[in-house]
Amino acid sequence: DAKTTQPPSMDCAEGRAANLPCNHSTISGNEYVYWYRQIHSQGPQYIIHGLKNNETNEMASLIITEDRKSSTLILPHATLRDTAVYYCIVRVVGSSNTGKLIFGQGTTLQVKP
Amino acid sequence: EAQVTQNPRYLITVTGKKLTVTCSQNMNHEYMSWYRQDPGLGLRQIYYSMNVEVTDKGDVPEGYKVSRKEKRNFPLILESPSPNQTSLYFCASSRRSEANVLTFGAGSRLTVL
Repeated sequence: DAKTTQPPSMDCAEGRAANLPCNHSTISGNEYVYWYRQIHSQGPQYIIHGLKNNETNEMASLIITEDRKSSTLILPHATLRDTAVYYCIVRVVGSSNTGKLIFGQGTTLQVKP
Repeated sequence: EAQVTQNPRYLITVTGKKLTVTCSQNMNHEYMSWYRQDPGLGLRQIYYSMNVEVTDKGDVPEGYKVSRKEKRNFPLILESPSPNQTSLYFCASSRRSEANVLTFGAGSRLTVL
C-alpha cells in the first residue's frame, strides 16, 4: 500500500472550513483513499473514501488531485466536536487481507471557539 | 442502531488469568477484525476473519486467539495475559463488498498487572 504523509497537527476556528491535506505520491491506479477520524480514545470512525473523483457525503468532502498524488478532506463547517485525529489511508480494494487498514500518525485537528 | 459492541469496556486483571473480550455486530457483516492501539505505535491488526470459521493472523497475533463460530460474534481470547498486552483494543466489522469501510466498537481498555 502507498505511504501517506499528513501534517501532525492543525488548528481551525469553529464554523470555518477545515482543510486537511494528505500526500500519497506513490499511489497506484487501483488504490483508494480512505479517511477516518478518532475522537480521543474512541473507536475510529469512517468518514469518506474515493478513487479519483471528488466525493461528498453528509460528513465531509474529499478532493483528489488529477494526478492522484494528494488529496484534501474538507469539513465544511467545523464544530468543537470535530476535534480529533484524522487518518488518511491508501488501500487496494479486493486484496487478500481486506479490512486491514494501516493507521499512521494522522493529523490532530483542534477546532477552537 | 447499527453497531459493534465490545465487552468489557474496562478490565484490570493479573498476569496469567485467562480472559475473553467479546465482540458482536448487528449489521450482518462478513468481515471482522481486532486491533490494538498503543501510544506511539498506532493501531495494529491482531486477527481478522473473512467469514464464519475463517480466521487469520494480522500483524501482532502473538498471545491472542480468536474464533468465529457465528457471523455476529468474534471474541478475542487472551489465554495467559502478560503486562505487554496492556492496551486499548478495538473490534471492527465490514461488508465483503466494502471491506475497508470499517465500523469500530467503542474500545476495551485492558490493564494486565
